[in-house]
Amino acid sequence: SQTIHQWPATLVQPVGSPLSLECTVEGTSNPNLYWYRQAAGRGLQLLFYSIGIDQISSEVPQNLSASRPQDRQFILSSKKLLLSDSGFYLCAWSSGTGVGGTIYFGEGSWLTVV
Amino acid sequence: DQQVKQNSPSLSVQEGRISILNCDYTNSMFDYFLWYKKYPAEGPTFLISISSIKDKNEDGRFTVFLNKSAKHLSLHIVPSQPGDSAVYFCAASVTGTYKYIFGTGTRLKVLA
Repeated sequence: SQTIHQWPATLVQPVGSPLSLECTVEGTSNPNLYWYRQAAGRGLQLLFYSIGIDQISSEVPQNLSASRPQDRQFILSSKKLLLSDSGFYLCAWSSGTGVGGTIYFGEGSWLTVV
Repeated sequence: DQQVKQNSPSLSVQEGRISILNCDYTNSMFDYFLWYKKYPAEGPTFLISISSIKDKNEDGRFTVFLNKSAKHLSLHIVPSQPGDSAVYFCAASVTGTYKYIFGTGTRLKVLA
């Protein structure tokens, strides 16, 4: 069966510090990978999605970036965090077919920028 | 531009009664819709989905209805249970785009 893991689960970072959130998927190949953010009192905002290695689309202009060094690994990064980057970050995957597929989420990572 | 909207931020229902959660969308290209349940500090879990070629899909206590002409879908939970208390998100996608757009969520509270 397929599993998705992301880490760290919780982190507190000072303004201006870098960020790296990692996500891996097991049990499937060539998944579509996603990063979403849930800010306080808001819905799930799509940040990045990737349909393959070196194929990453950005949905929201911001100081975050994403990379996919391996087929089943997705990394969310920032060089300098802002207070507004605080939120609950979710990695997700869906089947590579893209035909009415379901999207599955990881456990989430709480980021507090202080 | 919020393409998927959940206009009710919260809903309270008595245990055993029906819970109806609503979702509206603006993009007529959406052809696949999903509902998710989310507890605090956890990732959303998939509940039920529906393709645009259908107007109803049922799975146990959960039924999703789709009204394409109104660009509206709803999730019915019958009977509601205290464990159903969570935030519910609807999502929509266009086949082939690989993107899933989520609404802002509705917090359901089922009262015992």
